[in-house]
Amino acid sequence: AQSVTQPDIHITVSEGASLELRCNYSYGATPYLFWYVQSPGQGLQLLLKYFSGDTLVQGIKGFEAEFKRSQSSFNLRKPSVHWSDAAEYFCAVGRSNYQLIWGAGTKLIIKP
Amino acid sequence: DTGVSQNPRHKITKRGQNVTFRCDPISEHNRLYWYRQTLGQGPEFLTYFQNEAQLEKSRLLSDRFSAERPKGSFSTLEIQRTEQGDSAMYLCASSPQTGGNTEAFFGQGTRLTVV
Repeated sequence: AQSVTQPDIHITVSEGASLELRCNYSYGATPYLFWYVQSPGQGLQLLLKYFSGDTLVQGIKGFEAEFKRSQSSFNLRKPSVHWSDAAEYFCAVGRSNYQLIWGAGTKLIIKP
Repeated sequence: DTGVSQNPRHKITKRGQNVTFRCDPISEHNRLYWYRQTLGQGPEFLTYFQNEAQLEKSRLLSDRFSAERPKGSFSTLEIQRTEQGDSAMYLCASSPQTGGNTEAFFGQGTRLTVV
């Protein structure tokens, strides 16, 4: 069955510390991979996406993600988080926008 | 503001009532999507339009749900005879027609509470 797992429901990180959010997927073929961020009262915003090519993808707001085919993972990273990064982060996989399979999300809490 | 606009932002309704939500996509986008998001979950796909044609519908879209995009611009999502299980955030997104691998731009959603 196709699925996306974000193992961490909540993550708390100190401001300025590094961040890694995990995403594992189960999919028949290599899907397109996405990370979205949802801030309170805001719509979902695309951080980055992977379709093919270089497995290290750069996104907006200083985020990057690495696709590891052997591990079926697409983890999101940021070297130094800011208080404004507090939000919920969603990993999604699929071959088109209407066929995306979404993870349950990871809520990022920033400690001052 | 040229983003995706959804109205209303919040709706409280009594069980059994009908509700209608509106989505205005980014003007040059001809693809429009509806999703539902419940607390603690990611979005679930409901339906997809290309221009005025409804091309895909999820099994989640029961007979009580209907979506339209009559002129290929704005879209409406109607829920008839609402049930408490319909309480959720309803998200609309749009994207341009340049193949399947394009970014979808999301609205802020309409939060429905059925009491």
